[in-house]
Amino acid sequence: EIVMTQSPATLSLSPGERATLSCRASQSVSSYLVWYQQKPGQAPRLLIYDASNRATGIPARFSGSGSGTDFTLTISSLEPEDFAVYYCQQRSNWPLTFGGGTKVEIK
Amino acid sequence: EVQLVESGGGLVQPGGSLRLSCAASGFTFSSYAMSWVRQAPGKGLEWVSAITSSVVSTYYPDSVKGRFTISRDNSKNTLYLQMNSLRAEDTAVYYCAKGPVAGTSYWYFDLWGRGTLVTVSS
Repeated sequence: EIVMTQSPATLSLSPGERATLSCRASQSVSSYLVWYQQKPGQAPRLLIYDASNRATGIPARFSGSGSGTDFTLTISSLEPEDFAVYYCQQRSNWPLTFGGGTKVEIK
Repeated sequence: EVQLVESGGGLVQPGGSLRLSCAASGFTFSSYAMSWVRQAPGKGLEWVSAITSSVVSTYYPDSVKGRFTISRDNSKNTLYLQMNSLRAEDTAVYYCAKGPVAGTSYWYFDLWGRGTLVTVSS
């Protein structure tokens, strides 16, 4: 099973600041890495697929990069609605696995 | 409107069974791979099952293999999850989730339902 490790667990930032979230896979997942956003009481929302492709309707301030085992989600300038939990998921191997999440909170 | 609506959750005793349903609307259900993903209270996401569009293949993690069965009725636009031999650690919100591209088995999810809560407790 591929273990996905996200860091940091919590990121405390102010609106307008840049957020950099990390996701590391225990073995290569090529570019088969996905990012989701989840707000309290809501279902996850697809942000980025295959490491760097924004999903439909996702603002350009969200970007993804990386390949192999190390991936990054960057939010260039945090908007109030961006404070949420972010999960990465690998779709390279069965079983599909998620990271433990990074909570982006208001400082 | 494109949506997924889960139902069938509730309180069940350890060792019991439950069947979840997910009603799809607003898209050609039969063309898309589907999955179930769960989230224990206050915890992260865990994938629990997947099924291809034509029901040729199903997939499970070891944690539920042999206890859970995913199925679909494309004539009713409905996805199911039969859960047997339930354990306390199966307590979670169960989400139905849709694959992104018709006719493919790309295993990530571009549409999620609101979830249904399953509580396993005596």
